[in-house]
Amino acid sequence: DQQVKQNSPSLSVQEGRISILNCDYTNSMFDYFLWYKKYPAEGPTFLISISSIKDKNEDGRFTVFLNKSAKHLSLHIVPSQPGDSAVYFCAASADSGGGADGLTFGKGTHLIIQP
Amino acid sequence: EAGVAQSPRYKIIEKRQSVAFWCNPISGHATLYWYQQILGQGPKLLIQFQNNGVVDDSQLPKDRFSAERLKGVDSTLKIQPAKLEDSAVYLCASSLGLGSYEQYFGPGTRLTVT
Repeated sequence: DQQVKQNSPSLSVQEGRISILNCDYTNSMFDYFLWYKKYPAEGPTFLISISSIKDKNEDGRFTVFLNKSAKHLSLHIVPSQPGDSAVYFCAASADSGGGADGLTFGKGTHLIIQP
Repeated sequence: EAGVAQSPRYKIIEKRQSVAFWCNPISGHATLYWYQQILGQGPKLLIQFQNNGVVDDSQLPKDRFSAERLKGVDSTLKIQPAKLEDSAVYLCASSLGLGSYEQYFGPGTRLTVT
């Protein structure tokens, strides 16, 4: 049973436009959400995160939106650049009483920025 | 600041052989994680350490996988004996402590079992 779902395996966006990557989750215990970026043959790189007490977090060109009632979050990249081409993973965590748990990841979305 | 180090980067073994992976976390990071990433999937948590104690190993196949972090710094993950389905990238990550959600990943070890 997948607790974090990224339903788009790939997404193609023109350079300079907005990229929107979506993520859904089923576990109500998740209280922290993260986005990671991964290039081939490298480990995932932390990009941006959001706590469940917020509905938006912004860092430069990257903004994450959280809709708790819909159990949905999205990552917006504006404007999209060629270096943004990578696989993006949505991840979630909970504090089960002993601190932050390990991350539960989605399957990833391959973002391709077209020149 | 140096990142998470892992070795080897690649390993090819035959089924039923054993293999070990090494990880050195970011200096000062108390929490260390091992993940398994099968092709086309997201990383899956295998084990979580806080200093040299195990916090969560509920998804570790303990009949063949073992991990240790003896001095609370670097860690070793072992598979013995390996199966074909163990072919994956093994990722090590670290974070400041249990109160920190952000984890920082190493480059991973790509294991191929033939």
